[in-house]
Amino acid sequence: KQEVTQIPAALSVPEGENLVLNCSFTDSAIYNLQWFRQDPGKGLTSLLLIQSSQREQTSGRLNASLDKSSGRSTLYIAASQPGDSATYLCAVEAGSYQLTFGKGTKLSVIP
Amino acid sequence: EAQVTQNPRYLITVTGKKLTVTCSQNMNHEYMSWYRQDPGLGLRQIYYSMNVEVTDKGDVPEGYKVSRKEKRNFPLILESPSPNQTSLYFCASSYVLDVSSYNEQFFGPGTRLTVL
Repeated sequence: KQEVTQIPAALSVPEGENLVLNCSFTDSAIYNLQWFRQDPGKGLTSLLLIQSSQREQTSGRLNASLDKSSGRSTLYIAASQPGDSATYLCAVEAGSYQLTFGKGTKLSVIP
Repeated sequence: EAQVTQNPRYLITVTGKKLTVTCSQNMNHEYMSWYRQDPGLGLRQIYYSMNVEVTDKGDVPEGYKVSRKEKRNFPLILESPSPNQTSLYFCASSYVLDVSSYNEQFFGPGTRLTVL
């Protein structure tokens, strides 16, 4: 059964710092991996989706990479801002249309 | 505006009283899904639907029912709610690129359910 792990569970950084969030998964036979952002009391917002044939995706200050063979993905956030404070979730789809989520990394960016 | 809507947003009910949480999307997505989110357990899939009249179980389907009579709607039904179904529920939808995968998922705002 697919398992997704996100480390660390929480992270606090000063404003302006570049940071990396990590996601690992146990079954490398995935179709895609998606990064989400969740704000308190709100739903999930899709940030980036990487298809299995891709190595990375970029959107603004965000860059996500995927290494299927090692079962890892990273989300790089450049020049962090207080508005980036949220919980970041990664999720993989490994067939049968099921999306398996990690438990998230809670990010706090300190002004 | 493209969106996934859920109703109600908050609900407090009692054990055994049937309830329905509605989900609707206006993006003509084929794929729709329900998740529950619990502290320490993360998001887990309850049911999903690839298209009208096509539904299948996710990881935690016990105690839930769904139906997909129209493409835009995917209600979640709790026939006899129990306290262990107290949770935050999310509906999601997406296009289907091909039969083996799907596009990015769009999530509704969530429904916080408390069963006493």
